[in-house]
Amino acid sequence: DAEITQSPRHKITETGRQVTLACHQTWNHNNMFWYRQDLGHGLRLIHYSYGVQDTNKGEVSDGYSVSRSNTEDLPLTLESAASSQTSVYFCASSEGTSGTADTQYFGPGTRLTVL
Amino acid sequence: AQRVTQPEKLLSVFKGAPVELKCNYSYSGSPELFWYVQYSRQRLQLLLRHISRESIKGFTADLNKGETSFHLKKPFAQEEDSAMYYCALGAVRGNKLTFGTGTQLKVEL
Repeated sequence: DAEITQSPRHKITETGRQVTLACHQTWNHNNMFWYRQDLGHGLRLIHYSYGVQDTNKGEVSDGYSVSRSNTEDLPLTLESAASSQTSVYFCASSEGTSGTADTQYFGPGTRLTVL
Repeated sequence: AQRVTQPEKLLSVFKGAPVELKCNYSYSGSPELFWYVQYSRQRLQLLLRHISRESIKGFTADLNKGETSFHLKKPFAQEEDSAMYYCALGAVRGNKLTFGTGTQLKVEL
């Protein structure tokens, strides 16, 4: 069955380290998104991509980067982890062919703790 | 700019009571509205979207453009409805979604 997966599911790191969170989808969806989920803030968009070699900044992109070298993967990199980046990170994908706001399908999430 | 407001962080109701989760939006264009649900220890999943006009798990939501609202309703709450509910706004001809801050629904016995 097609699905969207994230790895690792849990990660503890130290301030200043570079961290990469993986997201992989097998639906052949054009669109992929990264969100962070924090109490009181809901889901906030970090970066998104509408296709291979396309990346765009979301509302909370500072300190994060993404690259899209193929359809299936959109890894999220924290260049120098900060305690403020402790959060739960969700990856999502959508078809992106209708020209409207498609249903997004979410991964299971990665809980990141920065000490 | 797009904005979604969910005024209640927590809503507690008794089993069998009616439920209404509020969602208001701000958007100058033609909106597409969604409700997503996150059950404990599970990933977010779509509950319903306004264009499909479906009733899912007994929940309905009507888009009211005059009041810029998309409230989620269910006549009789069940224990399994306890979850976090997010309202989301999409732009027509765009693919991003803007999420509200979420409402935790707790159904008590």
